[in-house]
Amino acid sequence: QQQVKQSPQSLIVQKGGISIINCAYENTAFDYFPWYQQFPGKGPALLIAIRPDVSEKKEGRFTISFNKSAKQFSLHIMDSQPGDSATYFCAANDGAYKYIFGTGTRLKVLA
Amino acid sequence: GAGVSQSPRYKVAKRGQDVALRCDPISGHVSLFWYQQALGQGPEFLTYFQNEAQLDKSGLPSDRFFAERPEGSVSTLKIQRTQQEDSAVYLCASSLGGPGETEQFFGPGTRLTVL
Repeated sequence: QQQVKQSPQSLIVQKGGISIINCAYENTAFDYFPWYQQFPGKGPALLIAIRPDVSEKKEGRFTISFNKSAKQFSLHIMDSQPGDSATYFCAANDGAYKYIFGTGTRLKVLA
Repeated sequence: GAGVSQSPRYKVAKRGQDVALRCDPISGHVSLFWYQQALGQGPEFLTYFQNEAQLDKSGLPSDRFFAERPEGSVSTLKIQRTQQEDSAVYLCASSLGGPGETEQFFGPGTRLTVL
């Protein structure tokens, strides 16, 4: 119940393409869903986050789509750039302090 | 400093040695978290401090792991009698407020290798 399942494990996209990463959860108490970006040798950094009262949130080239009934959410990276190559983690929080992270997606954007 | 810092960045220990990992959170941040990140995996929660109080240590893998934050700022994660399965990146994060969705700021991590 505490798991957040993330897919795919790795993703290769051409420059300018759309990168899509999916996550699913079981615990309906989760009410905050952030996405983190991690470059090699660095800690994760918050990219964008959503609460379940909205179905979509967009910040620049990054969009979260949220489907509350299906308990799924996804990250879309539009016009993907080589500089977006990193590992992306979804996470979930139930309003307390503990975050549950997905297993990560390693994205490579080809120039 | 502008962000969360951790030291050392890399630590190699022989099995059975004790290690101490340090975290300097962002000044004024109330909450501090330790995570363990195995290779190719997401961070896994170890423990949580609110100021100097350790409110949750449920994620610590064994009684060989011990964390403290005596003055509510710098924190140390200590691992006694290290084992090979302890090899991982240990991440520290801090956030301004208490429980809730306040953003967590992560440090660069300490990569621990136990031989």
